[in-house]
Amino acid sequence: AQSVTQPDIHITVSEGASLELRCNYSYGATPYLFWYVQSPGQGLQLLLKYFSGDTLVQGIKGFEAEFKRSQSSFNLRKPSVHWSDAAEYFCAVVWDTGNQFYFGTGTSLTVIP
Amino acid sequence: EPEVTQTPSHQVTQMGQEVILRCVPISNHLYFYWYRQILGQKVEFLVSFYNNEISEKSEIFDDQFSVERPDGSNFTLKIRSTKLEDSAMYFCASSEEQGYVGGELFFGEGSRLTVL
Repeated sequence: AQSVTQPDIHITVSEGASLELRCNYSYGATPYLFWYVQSPGQGLQLLLKYFSGDTLVQGIKGFEAEFKRSQSSFNLRKPSVHWSDAAEYFCAVVWDTGNQFYFGTGTSLTVIP
Repeated sequence: EPEVTQTPSHQVTQMGQEVILRCVPISNHLYFYWYRQILGQKVEFLVSFYNNEISEKSEIFDDQFSVERPDGSNFTLKIRSTKLEDSAMYFCASSEEQGYVGGELFFGEGSRLTVL
């Protein structure tokens, strides 16, 4: 069965520090991978997506993610976190066998000054 | 910038009552979705809708749920007889393409449903 796992429920980082949020998936079909961010009281906004080609993708707000097929992972990174990055981050996957997006449980990011 | 809009932002209802959540997708989008997020849990797929019919639905989307596109702009989710466990944030989303061909989901801000 398809599943998406975000192992870290909550992460706290200092402003200016680097960030990595983990995402793993399981299923045999070809995955199409997304990261969404949800600020308080807001809907989900797409940060970046990967479909094919270069496994390192750049997104908005200085985020990037790397697809590693051998590890079934799509980790989100940012070299220097800003206080405005505090939000909930969701990894999502859709497989080429259907049109349903599967979301992870989310990682809540707190940024301390 | 085009956006998905949802109403109401928050609804409180008694168990057993019918609820209709409304969404206005982005105008040139063809695929419409409802997701829900129970507090503290993951965002879960409910249903997708294309060409005026349901294209996929999850196990959550039982006979108590229905969707409709009554006119050219609105997309509604109806819960016929609400249960306590229906309390959640419900997100509407739309996309121009299907997910696995590059379709980005555009989400609304959500409708919080509280069932008492």
